[in-house]
Amino acid sequence: QSVLTQPPSVSAAPGEKVTISCSGSSSNVENHFVSWYQQLPGTAPRLLIYEDNKRTSGIPERFSASKSATSATLVISGLQTGDEADYYCGTWDYSLSVVVFGGGTKLTVL
Amino acid sequence: QVQLQQEPGPGLVKPSQTLSVTCTVSGGSIRSGSWYWSWIRQRPGKGLEWIGYIYSSGTASYNPSLKTRVSISADTTKNQFSLRLTSVTAADTAMYFCARENRDSGIIWFDPWGQGTLVTVSS
Repeated sequence: QSVLTQPPSVSAAPGEKVTISCSGSSSNVENHFVSWYQQLPGTAPRLLIYEDNKRTSGIPERFSASKSATSATLVISGLQTGDEADYYCGTWDYSLSVVVFGGGTKLTVL
Repeated sequence: QVQLQQEPGPGLVKPSQTLSVTCTVSGGSIRSGSWYWSWIRQRPGKGLEWIGYIYSSGTASYNPSLKTRVSISADTTKNQFSLRLTSVTAADTAMYFCARENRDSGIIWFDPWGQGTLVTVSS
């Protein structure tokens, strides 16, 4: 059971928009910056977003993120088949003194 | 541009033995800057679990759930850092990733990542 809760799966058609939520608590998401990672099949995770909403170099504007209280959200617009991957959120948890990740969300582009 | 390359691992480790995985850093020195050099694992079909890090000063920090069995060390002459996990069980079967970790001002993120080393614990 992951400390951060993500939906196991989401799906949408090419060109549409999808949102992936990451729910935590005051000991993690609410008081620490969240990062987001994309893991394409058979590859290592790749940093997409850091400091809640900053895109890392080379990540298109189609990827955006936000945070409100204990919940963070990743939004992918203009979906492409190449976006099919697992997406993870991560942050620090000060009560556990450990970096925590969500369980991951599998994105299917129909 | 910093790149992390994981050395070919043992692949198969017997229960109760020690797992060792090494990561070679290119494009930057593990001794310089304010970077942390971390290990993260992913059990089959599961999410990510942070194992710990070693800082450029040599200080290490570990996930409390693994603290009694894990150690992370660095070989600055080879620009490598390594993970050792003792007394392994089947629950330690996972893909092990190395990554550069940023902790500047408490802002944590991981980039880049190594390609991963699959370790299976089985007799």
